[in-house]
Amino acid sequence: SQTIHQWPATLVQPVGSPLSLECTVEGTSNPNLYWYRQAAGRGLQLLFYSVGIGQISSEVPQNLSASRPQDRQFILSSKKLLLSDSGFYLCAWSPLGTGGGNQPQHFGDGTRLSIL
Amino acid sequence: EDQVTQSPEALRLQEGESSSLNCSYTVSGLRGLFWYRQDPGKGPEFLFTLYSAGEEKEKERLKATLTKKESFLHITAPKPEDSATYLCAVQARNAGGTSYGKLTFGQGTILTVHP
Repeated sequence: SQTIHQWPATLVQPVGSPLSLECTVEGTSNPNLYWYRQAAGRGLQLLFYSVGIGQISSEVPQNLSASRPQDRQFILSSKKLLLSDSGFYLCAWSPLGTGGGNQPQHFGDGTRLSIL
Repeated sequence: EDQVTQSPEALRLQEGESSSLNCSYTVSGLRGLFWYRQDPGKGPEFLFTLYSAGEEKEKERLKATLTKKESFLHITAPKPEDSATYLCAVQARNAGGTSYGKLTFGQGTILTVHP
């Protein structure tokens, strides 16, 4: 069966510090990968998605970047964190297909990021 | 632009008191509508996919239905363990660009079931 891992579970960082969140998927090949942010009491906002190694698409302009160095590894980064980067970050995967269409996305347990 | 609105924002039920959650959507050609359950501090857990109007899916005390404009998640005789936030999301037909595989989520309904 497929599993998705995210770490760390919680992170407290000062403003201006760098960030690296990692997500890995097991039990599948060539997945579509996604990074979301969920603000308190709000829905999920898609930040980045990737359909293959080195292929990253950004949905919203922001202070963050994403990379996919390996097939089942997705990394969310920032060079200098802002207060507004605080939130709950979720990684998800869906099976390779016609753009992942008709297939549900499956989520990790997220990283709670607090910026001080 | 695709839009999803869920109501109510919060719902409190007594154990055994059946009710429904609503998900209204506007999308340029529906590819799929997805229901998720999210427990506090956890990622969303997939429940159902609905593809076309008239379709229904069931899982234990939950039943999801779909029309051309909305979806309902019916909860029959809920138990306290059904307490969670329920999220609805839609996927539009591929426009050949950034909509590729993209889900648009509603804000969720927070369900609390009291014993």
